[in-house]
Amino acid sequence: RKEVEQDPGPFNVPEGATVAFNCTYSNSASQSFFWYRQDCRKEPKLLMSVYSSGNEDGRFTAQLNRASQYISLLIRDSKLSDSATYLCVVSQGGKLIFGQGTELSVKP
Amino acid sequence: EAGVVQSPRYKIIEKKQPVAFWCNPISGHNTLYWYRQNLGQGPELLIRYENEEAVDDSQLPKDRFSAERLKGVDSTLKIQPAELGDSAVYLCASSLSKPGNEQFFGPGTRLTVL
Repeated sequence: RKEVEQDPGPFNVPEGATVAFNCTYSNSASQSFFWYRQDCRKEPKLLMSVYSSGNEDGRFTAQLNRASQYISLLIRDSKLSDSATYLCVVSQGGKLIFGQGTELSVKP
Repeated sequence: EAGVVQSPRYKIIEKKQPVAFWCNPISGHNTLYWYRQNLGQGPELLIRYENEEAVDDSQLPKDRFSAERLKGVDSTLKIQPAELGDSAVYLCASSLSKPGNEQFFGPGTRLTVL
């Protein structure tokens, strides 16, 4: 079983749609949680950290449920520019462990 | 401010040949990471340095891979000899030393082994 698991996608959605990505992690000792975004043939970049209380950044909302070891990312009002792969990431002892990523394609 | 710099950006070699990748982290970042990313997968950590010390190399295939960060700044990752399965993107990242600090990635080196 992988340490961080995500739906592989791809998710194909129209502009303006709301899309949700789910992620589970296996190690309850994981300390920090993130969503990274990776455009095609580019490097990953931090999208947002994820906190137990939930946090929002514009159209993006991230949630963490430590009891269920579950992380989510919600994107509202999808834009064409949101098309990318979204990587769920957990931190253990200074080391980042990445999920395989969920590909999102937003269509006009 | 310059980001993480990597070279070369692309490398094509035949199997059994050696190859080396170079990384220059963001100025002031003491922690440096090498990751390998296979197609359709997330990056996987190969080695992590704190200054010049390799503090986590548990995922580095030591029979053919080696890395160094002699002066605690630039780093080199080497594969000798390369195998077909080594084809991947090799990403370097850096961060400040405090746990939980954001890691900044370089553009990667795309390696193709024929």
